Amino acid sequence: AQSVTQPDIHITVSEGASLELRCNYSYGATPYLFWYVQSPGQGLQLLLKYFSGDTLVQGIKGFEAEFKRSQSSFNLRKPSVHWSDAAEYFCAVGPPGDKIIFGKGTRLHILP
Amino acid sequence: DAGVIQSPRHEVTEMGQEVTLRCKPISGHNSLFWYRQTMMRGLELLIYFNNNVPIDDSGMPEDRFSAKMPNASFSTLKIQPSEPRDSAVYFCASSLGSNEKLFFGSGTQLSVL
Repeated sequence: AQSVTQPDIHITVSEGASLELRCNYSYGATPYLFWYVQSPGQGLQLLLKYFSGDTLVQGIKGFEAEFKRSQSSFNLRKPSVHWSDAAEYFCAVGPPGDKIIFGKGTRLHILP
Repeated sequence: DAGVIQSPRHEVTEMGQEVTLRCKPISGHNSLFWYRQTMMRGLELLIYFNNNVPIDDSGMPEDRFSAKMPNASFSTLKIQPSEPRDSAVYFCASSLGSNEKLFFGSGTQLSVL
């Protein structure tokens, strides 16, 4: 069965600093991979997705993620965070033709 | 498009009462998902439908939970009888296909006293 692990429950970075959120998945083949963001009191919004092709994926709001098959990872990055990026971030995996499973999430805090 | 619409936004009820949560997916989407979010367990998939047919309900915690999708534009999640441990935020999401981009509603905050 597929699973998603986000090892960091909370991450705190200073505004303007770079960010990397970790995600590891377990699945026998290459699944579809997603990052979603959730602002307080809201539903989740898709940041980016990887299905195939270029392993570096660009998303909205200046985010990118890199798929590394050898490490079963799909880490999310942003070169310079803004205060508005404070939110909860979810990695998700969806094997082709199957349901999407979410990780437990990483809450991002931004220091002024 | 108005997006995925869930109602009510908040529900407070007493233990033992029946609770019905409602969802209107985005027009044209053929997959619909019900998720439950809690601090302890994160975001759990309860059930999902393709073309109004339940495909996987393995996440439904107990027989007290049931979900229906009578047509492409409406789904309900019912809890009968409700218990305090059912308190959570329940999200509905829809998509074009079961593992395409999900569009989430704003959720229903359920509190069972």
